[in-house]
Amino acid sequence: DAGVTQSPTHLIKTRGQHVTLRCSPISGHKSVSWYQQVLGQGPQFIFQYYEKEERGRGNFPDRFSARQFPNYSSELNVNALLLGDSALYLCASSHITGNYGYTFGSGTRLTVV
Amino acid sequence: QKEVEQNSGPLSVPEGAIASLNCTYSDRGSQSFFWYRQYSGKSPELIMSIYSNGDKEDGRFTAQLNKASQYVSLLIRDSQPSDSATYLCAVELNSARQLTFGSGTQLTVLP
Repeated sequence: DAGVTQSPTHLIKTRGQHVTLRCSPISGHKSVSWYQQVLGQGPQFIFQYYEKEERGRGNFPDRFSARQFPNYSSELNVNALLLGDSALYLCASSHITGNYGYTFGSGTRLTVV
Repeated sequence: QKEVEQNSGPLSVPEGAIASLNCTYSDRGSQSFFWYRQYSGKSPELIMSIYSNGDKEDGRFTAQLNKASQYVSLLIRDSQPSDSATYLCAVELNSARQLTFGSGTQLTVLP
Protein backbone atom coordinates (compact mmCIF):
# COMPACT_ATOMS: atom_id res chain seq x y z
CA ASP A 1 0.00 0.00 0.00
CA ALA A 2 1.47 3.34 -1.04
CA GLY A 3 2.30 5.84 1.67
CA VAL A 4 1.93 9.59 1.41
CA THR A 5 3.43 10.74 -1.87
CA GLN A 6 4.70 14.23 -2.53
CA SER A 7 6.00 15.90 -5.65
CA PRO A 8 8.36 17.27 -6.64
CA THR A 9 11.10 16.12 -4.27
CA HIS A 10 13.30 19.14 -4.87
CA LEU A 11 12.63 22.55 -6.33
CA ILE A 12 14.64 25.71 -6.88
CA LYS A 13 12.76 28.96 -7.43
CA THR A 14 13.64 32.62 -7.70
CA ARG A 15 12.34 35.28 -5.34
CA GLY A 16 8.94 36.56 -6.40
CA GLN A 17 7.98 33.40 -8.26
CA HIS A 18 5.08 31.11 -7.48
CA VAL A 19 5.28 27.42 -6.54
CA THR A 20 2.80 24.53 -6.37
CA LEU A 21 3.50 21.45 -4.29
CA ARG A 22 1.43 18.28 -4.53
CA CYS A 23 0.44 15.54 -2.12
CA SER A 24 -1.49 12.28 -2.34
CA PRO A 25 -2.61 10.81 1.00
CA ILE A 26 -2.62 7.20 2.07
CA SER A 27 -5.56 5.33 0.61
CA GLY A 28 -8.51 5.68 2.97
CA HIS A 29 -7.20 8.85 4.63
CA LYS A 30 -9.41 11.83 4.00
CA SER A 31 -7.46 14.47 5.88
CA VAL A 32 -4.35 16.17 4.57
CA SER A 33 -2.18 18.63 6.48
CA TRP A 34 0.77 20.74 5.37
CA TYR A 35 3.79 21.63 7.45
CA GLN A 36 6.88 23.76 6.89
CA GLN A 37 10.16 22.69 8.43
CA VAL A 38 13.12 25.01 8.39
CA LEU A 39 16.57 23.68 9.22
CA GLY A 40 17.05 22.97 12.90
CA GLN A 41 13.39 23.40 13.83
CA GLY A 42 10.38 21.17 14.22
CA PRO A 43 7.68 21.26 11.55
CA GLN A 44 5.21 24.16 11.72
CA PHE A 45 1.55 23.68 10.86
CA ILE A 46 0.33 25.51 7.76
CA PHE A 47 -3.05 24.03 6.79
CA GLN A 48 -5.38 21.12 7.35
CA TYR A 49 -7.98 20.02 4.81
CA TYR A 50 -10.76 17.51 5.13
CA GLU A 51 -13.47 16.80 2.56
CA LYS A 52 -12.15 19.66 0.43
CA GLU A 53 -12.68 22.18 3.22
CA GLU A 54 -10.04 24.06 5.16
CA ARG A 55 -10.32 22.90 8.78
CA GLY A 56 -7.32 24.68 10.23
CA ARG A 57 -4.76 27.31 9.36
CA GLY A 58 -1.48 28.13 11.03
CA ASN A 59 0.22 31.47 11.39
CA PHE A 60 1.31 31.89 7.80
CA PRO A 61 0.72 34.87 5.45
CA ASP A 62 -1.94 34.92 2.77
CA ARG A 63 0.75 34.13 0.19
CA PHE A 64 0.21 30.55 1.30
CA SER A 65 -2.91 28.79 0.07
CA ALA A 66 -4.03 25.23 -0.44
CA ARG A 67 -6.85 23.12 -1.70
CA GLN A 68 -8.03 19.54 -1.60
CA PHE A 69 -9.50 17.64 -4.51
CA PRO A 70 -12.36 15.08 -4.60
CA ASN A 71 -9.79 12.24 -4.57
CA TYR A 72 -8.37 13.76 -1.33
CA SER A 73 -5.09 14.79 -2.90
CA SER A 74 -3.96 18.31 -2.15
CA GLU A 75 -1.94 21.21 -3.47
CA LEU A 76 -0.04 23.85 -1.53
CA ASN A 77 0.56 27.11 -3.34
CA VAL A 78 2.97 29.82 -2.33
CA ASN A 79 3.01 33.17 -4.14
CA ALA A 80 5.65 35.89 -4.22
CA LEU A 81 8.35 33.62 -2.84
CA LEU A 82 10.77 35.00 -0.29
CA LEU A 83 14.19 33.68 0.66
CA GLY A 84 12.70 32.75 4.03
CA ASP A 85 10.30 30.34 2.35
CA SER A 86 13.21 27.98 1.74
CA ALA A 87 12.33 24.89 3.74
CA LEU A 88 11.20 21.29 3.67
CA TYR A 89 7.46 21.19 3.01
CA LEU A 90 5.79 18.17 4.48
CA CYS A 91 2.40 16.70 3.80
CA ALA A 92 0.75 14.48 6.40
CA SER A 93 -2.34 12.34 6.03
CA SER A 94 -4.57 10.92 8.73
CA HIS A 95 -8.01 9.67 9.59
CA ILE A 96 -10.12 12.60 10.74
CA THR A 97 -11.41 10.94 13.88
CA GLY A 98 -10.07 8.56 16.44
CA ASN A 99 -6.66 8.13 17.93
CA TYR A 100 -4.53 7.82 14.86
CA GLY A 101 -1.20 9.37 14.20
CA TYR A 102 -0.19 11.41 11.23
CA THR A 103 1.91 9.85 8.48
CA PHE A 104 4.26 12.18 6.69
CA GLY A 105 5.37 12.07 3.09
CA SER A 106 9.01 12.38 2.13
CA GLY A 107 8.61 16.11 1.63
CA THR A 108 9.50 18.70 -0.97
CA ARG A 109 12.75 20.58 -0.46
CA LEU A 110 12.17 24.15 -1.70
CA THR A 111 15.10 26.47 -2.20
CA VAL A 112 14.42 30.12 -3.03
CA VAL A 113 17.36 32.02 -4.53
CA GLN B 1 7.20 30.25 26.69
CA LYS B 2 7.27 27.79 23.80
CA GLU B 3 4.21 25.58 23.50
CA VAL B 4 6.26 22.39 23.27
CA GLU B 5 9.77 22.24 24.69
CA GLN B 6 12.32 19.49 24.43
CA ASN B 7 15.79 18.84 25.86
CA SER B 8 18.07 21.16 23.93
CA GLY B 9 20.51 18.34 23.26
CA PRO B 10 22.50 17.05 21.56
CA LEU B 11 22.38 13.84 23.57
CA SER B 12 25.02 11.14 23.30
CA VAL B 13 24.72 7.68 24.80
CA PRO B 14 26.85 4.54 24.40
CA GLU B 15 25.49 1.58 22.50
CA GLY B 16 23.31 -0.60 24.73
CA ALA B 17 22.44 2.22 27.14
CA ILE B 18 19.04 3.77 27.80
CA ALA B 19 18.36 7.07 26.06
CA SER B 20 15.87 9.36 27.80
CA LEU B 21 14.16 12.12 25.86
CA ASN B 22 11.89 14.64 27.55
CA CYS B 23 9.18 17.02 26.46
CA THR B 24 6.94 19.50 28.23
CA TYR B 25 3.89 21.25 26.84
CA SER B 26 1.97 24.32 27.88
CA ASP B 27 -1.63 23.70 26.76
CA ARG B 28 -3.62 21.64 29.27
CA GLY B 29 -6.18 20.91 26.55
CA SER B 30 -3.66 18.74 24.74
CA GLN B 31 -5.01 15.23 24.28
CA SER B 32 -2.72 13.32 21.94
CA PHE B 33 1.04 13.00 22.09
CA PHE B 34 3.45 11.65 19.54
CA TRP B 35 7.12 10.92 19.15
CA TYR B 36 8.61 11.13 15.69
CA ARG B 37 12.08 10.10 14.58
CA GLN B 38 13.73 12.09 11.83
CA TYR B 39 16.93 11.03 10.14
CA SER B 40 19.02 13.76 8.56
CA GLY B 41 17.51 14.84 5.25
CA LYS B 42 14.43 12.65 5.71
CA SER B 43 10.86 13.25 6.82
CA PRO B 44 9.53 12.50 10.34
CA GLU B 45 8.52 8.91 11.06
CA LEU B 46 5.97 8.13 13.76
CA ILE B 47 7.42 5.79 16.38
CA MET B 48 5.09 6.18 19.36
CA SER B 49 1.72 7.68 20.22
CA ILE B 50 0.21 8.00 23.70
CA TYR B 51 -3.16 9.32 24.77
CA SER B 52 -3.61 8.53 28.48
CA ASN B 53 -1.49 8.87 31.59
CA GLY B 54 1.05 6.17 32.25
CA ASP B 55 3.47 4.12 30.21
CA LYS B 56 3.13 2.62 26.78
CA GLU B 57 5.70 0.14 25.54
CA ASP B 58 6.49 -0.92 21.98
CA GLY B 59 9.59 -3.02 21.59
CA ARG B 60 12.60 -1.04 22.81
CA PHE B 61 10.56 2.16 23.07
CA THR B 62 8.53 3.32 26.07
CA ALA B 63 6.49 6.51 26.08
CA GLN B 64 5.46 8.02 29.39
CA LEU B 65 2.74 10.63 29.86
CA ASN B 66 1.92 12.71 32.92
CA LYS B 67 -0.84 15.18 32.12
CA ALA B 68 -0.82 16.74 35.58
CA SER B 69 2.82 17.70 35.10
CA GLN B 70 2.33 18.34 31.37
CA TYR B 71 5.22 16.07 30.62
CA VAL B 72 5.84 13.34 28.10
CA SER B 73 8.99 11.31 27.67
CA LEU B 74 10.48 8.63 25.46
CA LEU B 75 12.85 5.95 26.66
CA ILE B 76 14.90 3.93 24.21
CA ARG B 77 16.33 0.76 25.74
CA ASP B 78 19.37 -1.04 24.36
CA SER B 79 20.18 1.95 22.15
CA GLN B 80 21.69 1.14 18.78
CA PRO B 81 23.74 3.33 16.42
CA SER B 82 20.78 3.14 14.03
CA ASP B 83 18.75 5.06 16.64
CA SER B 84 20.94 8.12 15.99
CA ALA B 85 18.49 10.72 14.73
CA THR B 86 16.53 13.77 15.80
CA TYR B 87 13.51 12.94 17.94
CA LEU B 88 10.53 15.26 17.69
CA CYS B 89 7.82 15.54 20.33
CA ALA B 90 4.43 16.56 18.93
CA VAL B 91 1.24 17.49 20.75
CA GLU B 92 -2.30 17.73 19.44
CA LEU B 93 -5.41 19.48 20.77
CA ASN B 94 -8.41 17.36 19.93
CA SER B 95 -10.34 20.49 19.14
CA ALA B 96 -7.88 21.40 16.42
CA ARG B 97 -6.44 18.57 14.41
CA GLN B 98 -2.98 19.99 14.06
CA LEU B 99 0.33 19.02 15.57
CA THR B 100 2.55 21.38 17.50
CA PHE B 101 6.15 20.21 17.48
CA GLY B 102 9.10 20.83 19.70
CA SER B 103 12.43 21.76 18.15
CA GLY B 104 13.69 18.21 18.48
CA THR B 105 16.50 16.51 20.37
CA GLN B 106 19.42 15.15 18.39
CA LEU B 107 20.46 11.74 19.70
CA THR B 108 23.78 10.09 18.89
CA VAL B 109 24.40 6.49 19.92
CA LEU B 110 28.11 5.80 20.06
CA PRO B 111 29.31 2.31 19.01
